Amino acid sequence: DTGVSQNPRHKITKRGQNVTFRCDPISEHNRLYWYRQTLGQGPEFLTYFQNEAQLEKSRLLSDRFSAERPKGSFSTLEIQRTEQGDSAMYLCASSQIEAFFGQGTRLTVV
Amino acid sequence: RKEVEQDPGPFNVPEGATVAFNCTYSNSASQSFFWYRQDCRKEPKLLMSVYSSGNEDGRFTAQLNRASQYISLLIRDSKLSDSATYLCVVNLIGGGSQGNLIFGKGTKLSVKP
Repeated sequence: DTGVSQNPRHKITKRGQNVTFRCDPISEHNRLYWYRQTLGQGPEFLTYFQNEAQLEKSRLLSDRFSAERPKGSFSTLEIQRTEQGDSAMYLCASSQIEAFFGQGTRLTVV
Repeated sequence: RKEVEQDPGPFNVPEGATVAFNCTYSNSASQSFFWYRQDCRKEPKLLMSVYSSGNEDGRFTAQLNRASQYISLLIRDSKLSDSATYLCVVNLIGGGSQGNLIFGKGTKLSVKP
């Protein structure tokens, strides 16, 4: 399978715990995006990488969120001290021009 | 003003109907435009890119009006399987942005038998 891969698919965590998600993009794609989506809303932009450089980070993203793409290949998104409001689907996409999405990681904070 | 705006719908149409969605964007420097389709609890999937001259893919036609800053999607002879949420996407350049993709909230389409 040469599509975008995200792990885990589902994550249930207790409030206050840290969680980390991984995204493996399509190999020749140099751009990688993270989005958050809640029910009935469109994907909300979180951050964007071109190769290993994090070019943009949404102002909506608090200091509890951090993302890395250390070698310009896979990326991780970490949420520290999770809150119930962090419950959402976290989507990763990669692109050269057109973006292709992974199946997402559904986070539930209890 | 939101960066990308869409009518949330829902649009409820009978099979065989023609339906059109519009999307407006606020940043005139935006360079690339796309329509995505999203089924319930699935990831968005690229439906088509939108080119300046307009483009067609089977029953789907996309158009771009840069002067008025809107994008449209026309679906002809709608099928039950077209039922989904349609997301308008703009590649945002300028105003501090370096090329991220901004999504509208989506327009929900329900095609009835």
